Amino acid sequence: EPEVTQTPSHQVTQMGQEVILRCVPISNHLYFYWYRQILGQKVEFLVSFYNNEISEKSEIFDDQFSVERPDGSNFTLKIRSTKLEDSAMYFCASRGTDQETQYFGPGTRLLVL
Amino acid sequence: GESVGLHLPTLSVQEGDNSIINCAYSNSASDYFIWYKQESGKGPQFIIDIRSNMDKRQGQRVTVLLNKTVKHLSLQIAATQPGDSAVYFCAETHYSGYSTLTFGKGTMLLVSP
Repeated sequence: EPEVTQTPSHQVTQMGQEVILRCVPISNHLYFYWYRQILGQKVEFLVSFYNNEISEKSEIFDDQFSVERPDGSNFTLKIRSTKLEDSAMYFCASRGTDQETQYFGPGTRLLVL
Repeated sequence: GESVGLHLPTLSVQEGDNSIINCAYSNSASDYFIWYKQESGKGPQFIIDIRSNMDKRQGQRVTVLLNKTVKHLSLQIAATQPGDSAVYFCAETHYSGYSTLTFGKGTMLLVSP
Protein backbone atom coordinates (compact mmCIF):
# COMPACT_ATOMS: atom_id res chain seq x y z
CA GLU A 1 0.00 0.00 0.00
CA PRO A 2 1.44 3.40 -0.96
CA GLU A 3 2.50 5.60 1.95
CA VAL A 4 3.66 9.11 2.59
CA THR A 5 7.20 9.08 3.92
CA GLN A 6 9.08 11.77 5.81
CA THR A 7 12.69 12.38 6.73
CA PRO A 8 14.25 12.83 9.15
CA SER A 9 12.14 11.25 11.84
CA HIS A 10 13.77 13.49 14.44
CA GLN A 11 15.64 16.78 14.09
CA VAL A 12 17.33 18.76 16.82
CA THR A 13 18.52 22.23 15.96
CA GLN A 14 19.69 25.42 17.58
CA MET A 15 17.48 28.47 17.63
CA GLY A 16 18.12 30.63 14.57
CA GLN A 17 19.25 27.74 12.39
CA GLU A 18 17.57 26.71 9.18
CA VAL A 19 15.91 23.32 8.88
CA ILE A 20 14.49 21.49 5.91
CA LEU A 21 11.91 18.79 6.46
CA ARG A 22 11.40 16.38 3.62
CA CYS A 23 8.40 14.45 2.43
CA VAL A 24 7.72 12.01 -0.36
CA PRO A 25 3.98 12.08 -1.06
CA ILE A 26 2.08 9.18 -2.56
CA SER A 27 3.20 9.03 -6.17
CA ASN A 28 0.01 9.84 -8.06
CA HIS A 29 -1.16 12.53 -5.65
CA LEU A 30 -1.20 16.16 -6.68
CA TYR A 31 -2.29 17.99 -3.52
CA PHE A 32 0.26 18.34 -0.76
CA TYR A 33 -0.01 19.67 2.77
CA TRP A 34 2.04 20.44 5.84
CA TYR A 35 0.54 20.34 9.30
CA ARG A 36 2.13 20.62 12.69
CA GLN A 37 1.26 19.35 16.13
CA ILE A 38 2.70 20.90 19.25
CA LEU A 39 3.02 18.34 22.02
CA GLY A 40 -0.34 17.57 23.55
CA GLN A 41 -2.25 19.82 21.19
CA LYS A 42 -4.31 19.34 18.08
CA VAL A 43 -3.00 19.09 14.57
CA GLU A 44 -2.83 22.51 12.90
CA PHE A 45 -2.81 23.32 9.21
CA LEU A 46 0.21 25.15 7.85
CA VAL A 47 0.07 25.18 4.07
CA SER A 48 -1.36 23.46 1.03
CA PHE A 49 0.38 23.17 -2.31
CA TYR A 50 -0.96 22.37 -5.74
CA ASN A 51 0.30 22.84 -9.25
CA ASN A 52 3.67 24.08 -8.01
CA GLU A 53 2.29 26.89 -5.93
CA ILE A 54 0.86 27.54 -2.50
CA SER A 55 -2.93 27.33 -2.59
CA GLU A 56 -3.68 28.11 1.03
CA LYS A 57 -1.70 28.97 4.14
CA SER A 58 -2.47 29.62 7.77
CA GLU A 59 -1.39 32.45 10.03
CA ILE A 60 1.32 30.17 11.38
CA PHE A 61 2.95 29.99 7.96
CA ASP A 62 4.79 33.31 8.08
CA ASP A 63 7.79 34.54 6.12
CA GLN A 64 10.08 32.16 7.98
CA PHE A 65 8.40 29.20 6.29
CA SER A 66 8.61 28.11 2.69
CA VAL A 67 7.68 25.03 0.72
CA GLU A 68 9.08 23.59 -2.42
CA ARG A 69 8.64 20.66 -4.73
CA PRO A 70 12.18 20.46 -6.08
CA ASP A 71 11.56 17.41 -8.24
CA GLY A 72 8.81 15.00 -9.16
CA SER A 73 8.80 13.18 -5.86
CA ASN A 74 9.90 15.36 -2.94
CA PHE A 75 7.99 18.06 -1.09
CA THR A 76 9.92 20.12 1.44
CA LEU A 77 9.19 22.52 4.27
CA LYS A 78 11.92 24.98 5.14
CA ILE A 79 12.08 27.03 8.30
CA ARG A 80 14.69 29.75 7.76
CA SER A 81 15.40 30.83 11.30
CA THR A 82 13.94 28.46 13.84
CA LYS A 83 12.39 29.65 17.08
CA LEU A 84 11.80 27.73 20.28
CA GLU A 85 8.08 27.70 19.56
CA ASP A 86 8.66 25.89 16.27
CA SER A 87 9.29 22.73 18.28
CA ALA A 88 6.56 20.33 17.21
CA MET A 89 5.74 17.29 15.11
CA TYR A 90 5.48 18.23 11.47
CA PHE A 91 3.26 16.10 9.28
CA CYS A 92 3.15 15.98 5.54
CA ALA A 93 -0.03 14.82 3.83
CA SER A 94 -1.09 14.23 0.27
CA ARG A 95 -4.31 13.70 -1.61
CA GLY A 96 -5.30 12.49 -5.03
CA THR A 97 -7.45 14.49 -7.42
CA ASP A 98 -10.28 11.99 -7.32
CA GLN A 99 -10.55 11.71 -3.57
CA GLU A 100 -10.98 13.95 -0.55
CA THR A 101 -9.04 11.92 1.97
CA GLN A 102 -5.63 13.19 2.99
CA TYR A 103 -3.03 10.59 3.87
CA PHE A 104 -0.46 11.52 6.45
CA GLY A 105 3.18 10.65 6.84
CA PRO A 106 4.71 9.51 10.13
CA GLY A 107 5.95 12.99 10.96
CA THR A 108 9.23 14.70 11.81
CA ARG A 109 9.76 15.63 15.42
CA LEU A 110 11.55 18.98 15.48
CA LEU A 111 13.17 20.19 18.66
CA VAL A 112 14.58 23.70 18.74
CA LEU A 113 17.00 24.41 21.57
CA GLY B 1 -13.68 31.68 14.80
CA GLU B 2 -14.76 28.37 13.37
CA SER B 3 -13.54 25.37 15.27
CA VAL B 4 -13.92 21.67 15.75
CA GLY B 5 -13.90 20.38 19.30
CA LEU B 6 -14.24 17.17 21.24
CA HIS B 7 -16.32 16.65 24.36
CA LEU B 8 -14.24 13.99 26.11
CA PRO B 9 -10.46 14.17 26.38
CA THR B 10 -10.09 10.58 27.70
CA LEU B 11 -12.29 7.54 27.33
CA SER B 12 -11.48 4.32 29.19
CA VAL B 13 -13.25 1.10 28.20
CA GLN B 14 -12.88 -2.61 28.69
CA GLU B 15 -11.91 -4.88 25.85
CA GLY B 16 -15.02 -6.02 24.03
CA ASP B 17 -17.05 -2.96 24.93
CA ASN B 18 -18.39 -0.59 22.33
CA SER B 19 -16.79 2.86 22.33
CA ILE B 20 -18.32 6.13 21.30
CA ILE B 21 -16.18 9.19 20.67
CA ASN B 22 -17.93 12.50 20.08
CA CYS B 23 -17.04 15.64 18.22
CA ALA B 24 -18.73 19.02 17.79
CA TYR B 25 -18.08 21.21 14.83
CA SER B 26 -19.11 24.78 14.27
CA ASN B 27 -18.45 25.50 10.59
CA SER B 28 -21.77 24.99 8.87
CA ALA B 29 -20.01 25.18 5.51
CA SER B 30 -18.09 21.97 6.20
CA ASP B 31 -19.26 19.16 3.96
CA TYR B 32 -16.76 16.43 4.57
CA PHE B 33 -15.69 14.90 7.85
CA ILE B 34 -12.98 12.42 8.69
CA TRP B 35 -11.95 10.45 11.73
CA TYR B 36 -8.26 9.83 12.20
CA LYS B 37 -6.50 7.56 14.67
CA GLN B 38 -3.12 8.58 15.98
CA GLU B 39 -0.91 6.16 17.84
CA SER B 40 1.97 7.41 19.90
CA GLY B 41 4.78 8.78 17.73
CA LYS B 42 2.92 8.22 14.49
CA GLY B 43 1.00 10.30 12.02
CA PRO B 44 -2.79 10.45 11.81
CA GLN B 45 -4.21 7.34 10.20
CA PHE B 46 -7.45 7.53 8.23
CA ILE B 47 -10.28 5.52 9.76
CA ILE B 48 -13.51 6.55 8.12
CA ASP B 49 -15.09 9.55 6.45
CA ILE B 50 -18.55 10.88 5.74
CA ARG B 51 -20.00 13.48 3.46
CA SER B 52 -22.57 15.97 4.64
CA ASN B 53 -25.27 14.40 2.46
CA MET B 54 -25.11 11.28 4.63
CA ASP B 55 -26.15 10.59 8.23
CA LYS B 56 -24.34 7.36 8.79
CA ARG B 57 -21.52 5.38 7.31
CA GLN B 58 -20.21 2.02 8.37
CA GLY B 59 -16.83 0.44 8.03
CA GLN B 60 -15.22 -2.57 9.57
CA ARG B 61 -16.11 -2.33 13.30
CA VAL B 62 -16.49 1.44 12.98
CA THR B 63 -19.49 3.62 12.31
CA VAL B 64 -19.59 7.37 11.88
CA LEU B 65 -22.77 9.28 12.57
CA LEU B 66 -23.37 12.84 11.45
CA ASN B 67 -26.04 15.07 12.88
CA LYS B 68 -25.99 18.29 10.90
CA THR B 69 -28.83 19.82 12.89
CA VAL B 70 -26.69 20.02 16.03
CA LYS B 71 -23.35 19.92 14.21
CA HIS B 72 -22.30 16.72 15.92
CA LEU B 73 -20.16 13.85 14.74
CA SER B 74 -19.52 10.56 16.49
CA LEU B 75 -17.31 7.55 15.99
CA GLN B 76 -18.53 4.21 17.22
CA ILE B 77 -16.08 1.36 17.59
CA ALA B 78 -17.62 -2.06 18.10
CA ALA B 79 -15.94 -4.71 20.24
CA THR B 80 -13.08 -2.43 21.17
CA GLN B 81 -9.67 -4.09 21.25
CA PRO B 82 -6.44 -3.09 23.02
CA GLY B 83 -5.02 -2.21 19.61
CA ASP B 84 -7.67 0.48 19.33
CA SER B 85 -5.97 2.44 22.11
CA ALA B 86 -4.90 5.74 20.56
CA VAL B 87 -5.91 9.36 20.22
CA TYR B 88 -8.83 9.90 17.89
CA PHE B 89 -9.28 13.15 16.01
CA CYS B 90 -12.21 14.36 14.04
CA ALA B 91 -11.44 16.70 11.17
CA GLU B 92 -13.64 18.78 8.94
CA THR B 93 -13.26 20.48 5.62
CA HIS B 94 -15.20 22.21 2.95
CA TYR B 95 -14.40 20.38 -0.21
CA SER B 96 -13.23 23.16 -2.50
CA GLY B 97 -10.34 21.47 -4.24
CA TYR B 98 -7.70 22.22 -1.63
CA SER B 99 -9.67 20.80 1.29
CA THR B 100 -7.69 22.13 4.22
CA LEU B 101 -8.47 20.08 7.29
CA THR B 102 -9.46 21.58 10.61
CA PHE B 103 -8.80 19.15 13.43
CA GLY B 104 -10.41 18.79 16.81
CA LYS B 105 -8.38 18.46 19.99
CA GLY B 106 -8.47 14.68 20.15
CA THR B 107 -9.82 12.04 22.49
CA MET B 108 -7.57 9.46 24.10
CA LEU B 109 -9.14 6.01 24.01
CA LEU B 110 -7.72 3.58 26.55
CA VAL B 111 -8.75 -0.05 26.21
CA SER B 112 -8.08 -2.37 29.12
CA PRO B 113 -7.70 -6.13 28.53
